[in-house]
Amino acid sequence: EAQLVESGGGLVQPGESLRVSCAASGFTFSSYAMHWVRQAPGKGLEYISAISSDGNSTLYADSVKGRFTISRDNSKNTLYLQMGSLTAADMAVYYCARDEDGSGTLDYWGRGTLVTVSS
Amino acid sequence: QSVLTQPPSASGTPGQRVTISCSGSSSNIGSNTVNWYQQLPGTAPKLLIYSSSQRPSGVPDRFSGSKSGTSASLAISGLQSEDEADYSCAAWDDSLTGWVFGGGTKLTVL
Repeated sequence: EAQLVESGGGLVQPGESLRVSCAASGFTFSSYAMHWVRQAPGKGLEYISAISSDGNSTLYADSVKGRFTISRDNSKNTLYLQMGSLTAADMAVYYCARDEDGSGTLDYWGRGTLVTVSS
Repeated sequence: QSVLTQPPSASGTPGQRVTISCSGSSSNIGSNTVNWYQQLPGTAPKLLIYSSSQRPSGVPDRFSGSKSGTSASLAISGLQSEDEADYSCAAWDDSLTGWVFGGGTKLTVL
């Protein structure tokens, strides 16, 4: 069965950068588009970025465009999210999710990694 | 303010049928399919309904989805205590050129 495990979250100060990772197993990672979705404390879900199966196409929400970069290493079955210029508004649990068929249907999710932005 | 509008809360008693609405516009629900996700307390979201009305394998047929115009609905029949969770709708938005979620509805089983 497909499994996704996020890592790399933690406490950072405003303005700093952080990279979170998502290790995939149990499926052919290179065949699927992948997404990052975040959830601020007590808030709803927010799509923030997506990447095609080959890594050549990416998409970002306006809230993170220019500050975050999504990437993947298909040889390592790993998805990344490089986050920069972090603010309190970026504090959230960050989930990676598999896109079942490229339509944005997220059929497998990781358990998430918490990013805290505070001085 | 979410692009897709859901009621913040809903409730029902065991055995009842409850419906959760998701209201959008012509650029999202009006022209694209809707997915629904269930998030049990303290856990990651789970795909519940895709393509507006399809259930992934393993999802009980007590859960059903529908779409009409710029709105979508999730119906849960034979409500059970384990259905207590947050439910979120999602769709592609042609104007924003991205996917959007509703704000989520917290379902309480009384």
